[in-house]
Amino acid sequence: EAGVTQSPTHLIKTRGQQATLRCSPISGHTSVYWYQQALGLGLQFLLWYDEGEERNRGNFPPRFSGRQFPNYSSELNVNALELEDSALYLCASSLGGLRTEAFFGQGTRLTVV
Amino acid sequence: DQQVKQNSPSLSVQEGRISILNCDYTNSMFDYFLWYKKYPAEGPTFLISISSIKDKNEDGRFTVFLNKSAKHLSLHIVPSQPGDSAVYFCAARVEGNTPLVFGKGTRLSVIA
Repeated sequence: EAGVTQSPTHLIKTRGQQATLRCSPISGHTSVYWYQQALGLGLQFLLWYDEGEERNRGNFPPRFSGRQFPNYSSELNVNALELEDSALYLCASSLGGLRTEAFFGQGTRLTVV
Repeated sequence: DQQVKQNSPSLSVQEGRISILNCDYTNSMFDYFLWYKKYPAEGPTFLISISSIKDKNEDGRFTVFLNKSAKHLSLHIVPSQPGDSAVYFCAARVEGNTPLVFGKGTRLSVIA
């Protein structure tokens, strides 16, 4: 069974541009989470989608947005990129329900120059 | 306000010895706790979890202990192996399908 897949693996953008990151969850998983790991920091929660709806968002500005498609895959969009947006962006999926662990993809390394 | 704290940024242990990684939390609503292991440039890998109704969960070389009164959990790795060298993240969630809250991680180095 395929795990969580993210694309692209690496992305280089110029300040002010927009970035789009994609995530395919494990088959059967309906919840998708996005996390940011900046250099030297832990995993910061960004967004949570479940059954196509945004359920919660972390303490990030509105230029971080996303969506979940009917097949439960998800997209993270970052507008007006800033240098400090350079980070590893991780997507995770879970079955939902009580006490289920989340499984992570390998991440997308976004570099803003 | 950091709800999950891993106060040791790094830990070095000799191969064959026990590694003990610690984690403290502040939110009494957390009822499920997890440990993840992360290698550079890879996503975190789920290791072991424990629910708040238990105080110990064991899986092979990995054991997680939960002390609810102290709001403290620990991960024991016995015996430690060089391949265990990675960053370990403690995570917690409030009951239900809610986002995991992560600590900042502890870098474990197992020295041969």
